[in-house]
Amino acid sequence: QSVLTQPPSASGTPGQRVTISCSGSSSNIGSHTVNWHQQLPGAAPKLLIYSNNQRPSGVPDRFSGSKSGTSASLAISGLQSEDEAAYYCATWDGSLNSWVFGGGTKLTVL
Amino acid sequence: QVQLQESGPGLVKPSQTLSLTCTVSGGSISSGNYYWSWIRQPAGKGLEWVGRISTSGITYYNPSLKSRVTITLNTSKNQFSLNLNSVTAGDTAVYFCAREYGWFDPWGQGTLVTVSS
Repeated sequence: QSVLTQPPSASGTPGQRVTISCSGSSSNIGSHTVNWHQQLPGAAPKLLIYSNNQRPSGVPDRFSGSKSGTSASLAISGLQSEDEAAYYCATWDGSLNSWVFGGGTKLTVL
Repeated sequence: QVQLQESGPGLVKPSQTLSLTCTVSGGSISSGNYYWSWIRQPAGKGLEWVGRISTSGITYYNPSLKSRVTITLNTSKNQFSLNLNSVTAGDTAVYFCAREYGWFDPWGQGTLVTVSS
């Protein structure tokens, strides 16, 4: 069972907007910034969002992140077929002195 | 740009030690305020952080693995390594190495390690 809670699956049609939630506690999301990683099938994870809402160079602005209290969200607008992947949230947990990940959300583009 | 590449045996027997190396290219492993991390992923499951080492050799480990994990740095070879002892089938996973600076980026492509007799 993961320290951070994500829905196991999400779906949307091309062009739609989808959001993925990540719920934690005061010792992790409540105290530290959140990052999001995208993992395409058979590939290594790739940094998608860092420091809650920052996009690395090359990541389309269709992807956005936010954080409020002990929860964070990833939003994908203008959904495209190539967005079909697993998405993981991650943050540091100050009580565990450890990085923690969400269980991952598998996004299906219908 | 910095690239990471994992290497090591793909098959380890139960109770033995899993040893992997991550080779960093395109930059010095000892420059900057980075940590160098290991993360693993069992087939069909989520990501689990294993541990990290700083450029000065300070280590942090996942509490659930702490008693079995050692991460070391070899600056002369621009590498860092993972040793996980007393392995069981539950340690079978794809192991990734990654550079950490408040976030993990970049990642290596990952290497599958199977624990089986």
